[in-house]
Amino acid sequence: EVQLVESGGGLVQPGGSLRLSCEVSGFFFSGHYMTWVRQAPGGGLEWVAKIPPSGTPQLYADSVEGRFTISRDNNRNLLFLEMSGLRPEDTAVYYCAKEEWFRTDFWGQGTLVTVSS
Amino acid sequence: QSGLTQPPSASGSPGQSVTISCTGTSSDIAVSNYVSWYQQEPGKAPKLIIFEVSKRPSGVTDRFSGSKSGNRAALTVSGLQADDEADYFCSSKRTGGTVVFGGGTKLTVL
Repeated sequence: EVQLVESGGGLVQPGGSLRLSCEVSGFFFSGHYMTWVRQAPGGGLEWVAKIPPSGTPQLYADSVEGRFTISRDNNRNLLFLEMSGLRPEDTAVYYCAKEEWFRTDFWGQGTLVTVSS
Repeated sequence: QSGLTQPPSASGSPGQSVTISCTGTSSDIAVSNYVSWYQQEPGKAPKLIIFEVSKRPSGVTDRFSGSKSGNRAALTVSGLQADDEADYFCSSKRTGGTVVFGGGTKLTVL
């Protein structure tokens, strides 16, 4: 059974940093693209970043470029999202997902990040 | 990077068919066959229901169908059922390898 479990969300002040993790099981993690997608409260989905099996090159949405870094540990089946310079508009549920030819076929349950003073 | 355009809402009666549109640009839908659709129920993660414009993942009902013409994609739900009530999102590969989502459409079964 494919499982993706995010952790690391929480309340952070504007300008602060946070690191999200996603623990993956049930498929060959090292062989697949992985992605982060976020959803603001009551809002739509926004693609955030993706990383290939090798780890490079990463791709980012314009809204997070230069502030967020996606990375992975293929030995431990872990995906990460380092977020810095956080803004109130970054408040969202962040989903970790497996990407297969530009579709996300398996999703985690999400972790909530709230940016507020 | 503005998103794909979807109508905020759609509705239909049980048994009817409903079509949800998704309009993009010359940088995404118009030049990509990697158009997907997702169904999201309240409080849950999205679920992939259509990929590569019109293909269905294993286990997804054939009442869901997808199509594309030019810079516009569409999801048709036929034989509407009460449990089809959910939010639906489209997505497309964008030039450069990124992905863009639509704003979502809330489908109501009357």
